[in-house]
Amino acid sequence: GDQVEQSPSALSLHEGTSSALRCNFTTTTRSVQWFRQNSRGSLINLFYLASGTKENGRLKSAFDSKELYSTLHIRDAQLEDSGTYFCAAEGMPNYNVLYFGSGTKLTVEP
Amino acid sequence: GALVYQYPRRTICKSGTSMRMECQAVGFQATSVAWYRQSPQKTFELIALSTVNSAIKYEQNFTQEKFPISHPNLSFSSMTVLNAYLEDRGLYLCGARDDRGDAEQFFGPGTRLTVL
Repeated sequence: GDQVEQSPSALSLHEGTSSALRCNFTTTTRSVQWFRQNSRGSLINLFYLASGTKENGRLKSAFDSKELYSTLHIRDAQLEDSGTYFCAAEGMPNYNVLYFGSGTKLTVEP
Repeated sequence: GALVYQYPRRTICKSGTSMRMECQAVGFQATSVAWYRQSPQKTFELIALSTVNSAIKYEQNFTQEKFPISHPNLSFSSMTVLNAYLEDRGLYLCGARDDRGDAEQFFGPGTRLTVL
C-alpha cells in the first residue's frame, strides 16, 4: 500500500554479484518483515526485525525505525535466489497486520 | 518450527458461487490471523484481521457479508468468498502470529482462486 515504498521493482544480477533492496516507510513502523515469494506463491520468511540488523548466510537486513527504512542485502547471488522479494511493515494504522511493499522481482543469471 | 497450512491450494468456481478456504497453524498458537488477497498484479490487500475472542476487523472495501471469517480456536481459521465474481480472483493468504510473543507473522502457501 501507500505506507511502504519498495525499490527497485525489478533487479537482474549475475551469479556471484551483490545488491540491495530498499523499503521506505511513510509512517510509524514498529517492525518489518522480509519475504521471498516462490513461483508457487508461498511466502518464505527471511527476516523479522524490530530494530537493528540481522544476518543469515548471504542475506543481511537492517531496519532504521527513526529514519523509516529497511534494506535487504544479497551477497554472492545464486540462481536459487531468484524470486520476488517483499518487505512488509507492521505499523499505522493497524499494528497487528502487515502492509506490503510492491515487491522486487529478482532474476539471477549464470 | 512455526508452520501454516492452507487448503485448498487452488480452486475454480463459477461466477456467483461461493468457496471456503481454511488456514491451520502448527507449532504455535495463532492468537491472530490476518487474511490478505494478492492480485494478479502481485499487490497485497488486507481483507480482515481476526483475533481470538475479539471482533473481526474488516478493511475498507471488504465486508463480513462477502468474506465471512471464522476463528474458533488458536490453530484454525476459515474464510468464505461468497458470490465470487471475476474481481475476486487472486491468491488468498492467511498470516498467523502469536501476539503474546514475537510479532513475526507466518504465512500459509495461499489458496489461488479462479472465477469462471
